[in-house]
Amino acid sequence: DTGVSQNPRHKITKRGQNVTFRCDPISEHNRLYWYRQTLGQGPEFLTYFQNEAQLEKSRLLSDRFSAERPKGSFSTLEIQRTEQGDSAMYLCASSLLEGVGKQYFGPGTRLTVT
Amino acid sequence: GENVEQHPSTLSVQEGDSAVIKCTYSDSASNYFPWYKQELGKRPQLIIDIRSNVGEKKDQRIAVTLNKTAKHFSLHITETQPEDSAVYFCAASPNTDKLIFGTGTRLQVFP
Repeated sequence: DTGVSQNPRHKITKRGQNVTFRCDPISEHNRLYWYRQTLGQGPEFLTYFQNEAQLEKSRLLSDRFSAERPKGSFSTLEIQRTEQGDSAMYLCASSLLEGVGKQYFGPGTRLTVT
Repeated sequence: GENVEQHPSTLSVQEGDSAVIKCTYSDSASNYFPWYKQELGKRPQLIIDIRSNVGEKKDQRIAVTLNKTAKHFSLHITETQPEDSAVYFCAASPNTDKLIFGTGTRLQVFP
């Protein structure tokens, strides 16, 4: 499967714990995006990378959230001191820099904070 | 910032009928408008997109139209089939970077 992959697919954690998610983009894609989706809503933009550079962060991304893409390939999203309001589906997407900006999504990581 | 509104929130059609979903955007700088289909528990799947220098684009049974002056764009599905049942999201991008999504339309196609 050469699509975007995400791990884990599901994560249940207790409030206050830290969690980390991983995204592996399509191999030749140099842009990588993180979105958050809650039930019944469209995905909301969190942040994106061009190669290893983080180019934009949403105001939704509090200082408890941090994302990295150290070698310009896979990316991690860490949430510190999780809160119940962090429960959501975290989606990763990737695209080519050149061309039309088509973003292809991974299957997501569903986070449940108890 | 960009804001995207999508209507209707639910749409029920008989198999074989057409379905139309409409979106409006606020930022005149937006120049890329994709549509995604999301089945229950699955990832959003890009089904068609259009750029601001084009007024209409068609791919088999689906088409998208864009009216830049009015800042709205629409998805048209003809000859609907039960497998078209899903949630459809429109999105707009001011600079082909982040996508700003609408709130989704749940389409149900009854046999």
